[in-house]
Amino acid sequence: RKEVEQDPGPFNVPEGATVAFNCTYSNSASQSFFWYRQDCRKEPKLLMSVYSSGNEDGRFTAQLNRASQYISLLIRDSKLSDSATYLCVVNRRHSGGGADGLTFGKGTHLIIQP
Amino acid sequence: SAVISQKPSRDICQRGTSLTIQCQVDSQVTMMFWYRQQPGQSLTLIATANQGSEATYESGFVIDKFPISRPNLTFSTLTVSNMSPEDSSIYLCSSRDVNSYEQYFGPGTRLTVT
Repeated sequence: RKEVEQDPGPFNVPEGATVAFNCTYSNSASQSFFWYRQDCRKEPKLLMSVYSSGNEDGRFTAQLNRASQYISLLIRDSKLSDSATYLCVVNRRHSGGGADGLTFGKGTHLIIQP
Repeated sequence: SAVISQKPSRDICQRGTSLTIQCQVDSQVTMMFWYRQQPGQSLTLIATANQGSEATYESGFVIDKFPISRPNLTFSTLTVSNMSPEDSSIYLCSSRDVNSYEQYFGPGTRLTVT
């Protein structure tokens, strides 16, 4: 089983619609969860951290279900500028005791259509 | 969030040669990491760059191939040694503070090995 799994899409969504992405992770010891956004030929940029209680930032809502090891991202009133690849990211516990890096899903490609 | 710069932004290299990539952070940060993003793939953690000591490598990455230095809290280098076409990738530096798991990325170095 892959450490972080996402539906690669693409999701073709009309402008103004609501779209939801899901992601599952395999390491139950993971403690921190994030959604990053990556535009074509750019570096990933942190969109939001995901907290157990769920959190919202404007049009974006993230949810975490630790029991099911499942993370979601909801985008409301989608804009053309939301077109990007959305990466589900989980902190990676280093077996050798080193600092935690991040494990990335392969990303979900979103295309917002006018 | 810290501002991260990388040099060079891109390079085309011949097989068998080595390239050193520099990463500079605009503030003192505790953690620095190096990632690789191969064409069409998501990011993979190469290693944690430890200040004043040897880097901590992830499975599948070794010091002889990817030597890393971190002489102080704001600067790190990654060398890709004895390059082959399979090393063609984007190499990204990231940083985070000790009190947060949020990581921020540099713009990446696009390496092509011919």
